[in-house]
Amino acid sequence: QKEVEQNSGPLSVPEGAIASLNCTYSDRGSQSFFWYRQYSGKSPELIMFIYSNGDKEDGRFTAQLNKASQYVSLLIRDSQPSDSATYLCAVRSAGGYNKLIFGAGTRLAVHP
Amino acid sequence: GAVVSQHPSWVICKSGTSVKIECRSLDFQATTMFWYRQFPKQSLMLMATSNEGSKATYEQGVEKDKFLINHASLTLSTLTVTSAHPEDSSFYICSARDKAPHSTDTQYFGPGTRLTVL
Repeated sequence: QKEVEQNSGPLSVPEGAIASLNCTYSDRGSQSFFWYRQYSGKSPELIMFIYSNGDKEDGRFTAQLNKASQYVSLLIRDSQPSDSATYLCAVRSAGGYNKLIFGAGTRLAVHP
Repeated sequence: GAVVSQHPSWVICKSGTSVKIECRSLDFQATTMFWYRQFPKQSLMLMATSNEGSKATYEQGVEKDKFLINHASLTLSTLTVTSAHPEDSSFYICSARDKAPHSTDTQYFGPGTRLTVL
C-alpha cells in the first residue's frame, strides 16, 4: 500500500466550476498536510497546509482534513484555465527529519 | 519571503563528468534541505535529506558515493552528481525547511535544475 495515494486523473472541469482533489494517507500518526501545485516543467509551489481537522480556506482554495478517515482534500472554487496543473498532496512523516511523503499527483485540466 | 534558489537552472554535460548543483535559501535559515529527482511524467522522488553540519541521510536505493551532498551553511546545500551518465538525466529539485519559530515549518522548493547527460 502506498503511503500517500491520489487519483492520477486527469480531472477535467469546466471553467468556473469547483474542482475537488482527494488524497488518502496510511500513517495515522501524521500531523501535517500540504498541497502543492506543479506546472509542467516547473518545481512545486506551496498552495496550502493544514494541521487540524476541518476546513481551512484561502481565497479560492479550501483544504479539508479528516484524520479519523485519513483523508485530505483540496477544493478549488471558480476554477480557471490557469489552475490546470498537477496537484501534489504531501504528508509530513512522524519519523526522523520530518520529511514529506508525496503522492503521485492529480492532473487537473480546466477547460474554457 | 521563503525563497529558494538553485543554480544552474539547466546543464548539459558529457558522460563521465561531474556536475554540481547549488541550493540556497535566500531569506531564511534552513537547517534541513531536501534533494528530489523527478523523471518525466513521474512524481517527486526524495533522494536525500541534508542537515547543516552533518552527513546527509540517503533514501534507499540512492547511491551516496554518486550523489554527494554537502550542507556547509544554514543557507547552502550542494548536490554533486559524480561521473554522470545518460540515465542520470532528470529534473533535480531541492527544498528547504523553514524552521524558525514564526514560520509554518513547511518546505519551500527551488526552481529545479534540468540535467541532461549526453
